[in-house]
Amino acid sequence: NAGVTQTPKFQVLKTGQSMTLQCAQDMNHEYMSWYRQDPGMGLRLIHYSVGAGITDQGEVPNGYNVSRSTTEDFPLRLLSAAPSQTSVYFCASSYSQRISGNTIYFGEGSWLTVV
Amino acid sequence: TQLLEQSPQFLSIQEGENLTVYCNSSSVFSSLQWYRQEPGEGPVLLVTVVTGGEVKKLKRLTFQFGDARKDSSLHITAAQPGDTGLYLCAGAGKSNYQLIWGAGTKLIIKP
Repeated sequence: NAGVTQTPKFQVLKTGQSMTLQCAQDMNHEYMSWYRQDPGMGLRLIHYSVGAGITDQGEVPNGYNVSRSTTEDFPLRLLSAAPSQTSVYFCASSYSQRISGNTIYFGEGSWLTVV
Repeated sequence: TQLLEQSPQFLSIQEGENLTVYCNSSSVFSSLQWYRQEPGEGPVLLVTVVTGGEVKKLKRLTFQFGDARKDSSLHITAAQPGDTGLYLCAGAGKSNYQLIWGAGTKLIIKP
């Protein structure tokens, strides 16, 4: 089982460049989300989606866009990269948004450096 | 704003020793989850605790949810090198739709 697949694994960007982090899941999960993980901080929610065509902002959405055209895919776009966006990004999916009774599956992460 | 404080931030012990890590908050959570994250990987769910005072065991790992549902602990008996990793706790608020994450405890078990 592939689970949650993220690409690329590593990326270096120059300030001002744009890029898209890809995320795909093969578990037919309705709920998908993007987090960033920074040293000494907990995972922070960027954007999430409760189904195809529906997205919403999380805790730290500024500088990022998402779309959900299919159940399987949930790409994260960095519009104009800034050094503050240097981080490890995780895509996650689960059957529903409800926490209890659900297992959240994470991808392996995408390491992004903005110089 | 709900916060989850994990302690210690870092722990390095010898194989065979016991250890406890903590996850504390001033807020009440409807449920609390523990994850383990290995280098270069995403977090993997270990357990979810829901009821105040609940204790769950996963082989040598024992998880406890505080009576007031504000804190939790993870105890590892006879730690092994395979237990090495970053242990994260995450709490679900009243809405049960969003998780609040702790910063994690980095655990190293030396052979």
